[in-house]
Amino acid sequence: DAGVIQSPRHEVTEMGQEVTLRCKPISGHNSLFWYRQTMMRGLELLIYFNNNVPIDDSGMPEDRFSAKMPNASFSTLKIQPSEPRDSAVYFCASSSPTTSGREFIEADTQYFGPGTRLTVL
Amino acid sequence: RKEVEQDPGPFNVPEGATVAFNCTYSNSASQSFFWYRQDCRKEPKLLMSVYSSGNEDGRFTAQLNRASQYISLLIRDSKLSDSATYLCVVNTGGFKTIFGAGTRLFVKA
Repeated sequence: DAGVIQSPRHEVTEMGQEVTLRCKPISGHNSLFWYRQTMMRGLELLIYFNNNVPIDDSGMPEDRFSAKMPNASFSTLKIQPSEPRDSAVYFCASSSPTTSGREFIEADTQYFGPGTRLTVL
Repeated sequence: RKEVEQDPGPFNVPEGATVAFNCTYSNSASQSFFWYRQDCRKEPKLLMSVYSSGNEDGRFTAQLNRASQYISLLIRDSKLSDSATYLCVVNTGGFKTIFGAGTRLFVKA
């Protein structure tokens, strides 16, 4: 069974260029997360979707970042224009939370993709 | 204060040693807790969940102290293959998941 798939695995681009990262979650999972990891800041949650709807994008650093999930099997994270400080590893993760009948939904195990290593020159 | 704090280490231990990591969290309303493992240049992977008073999985024991707002991970009989970064993860409700910065462990022969 395929895990979370991300592409490209490596991206090198020049400042000012548009960058699009892609993610295919595990089939049947209805939650999708985008993270960024750097040495300085660790793993940061950028945005998460539930049933293709963005639930919380408060982690998105600025307007240059945008994310979409047009269907249950595909999501993109776009940076336009890119800057050198955007250089990081970007992870996508998916999960299949269980509803507890309470007001919130408990987070279940998150399965991470292999990441995209982005370098902006 | 960070929402989830861990000792960054590194912890350098010999094979067979017992090592313990602690993690503190600031949100008393946090609902669920996890330990993830991340190998160098790889993605994080779930090691174990900590849902109530703690649980054990082979050589690994995770404990939760809600009163003091900390989680611990104990590794007994360390193996070379245990060398990795261990991430403390806290869910504060809904889908809000906070990762600690991680604790690096090196197990030496």
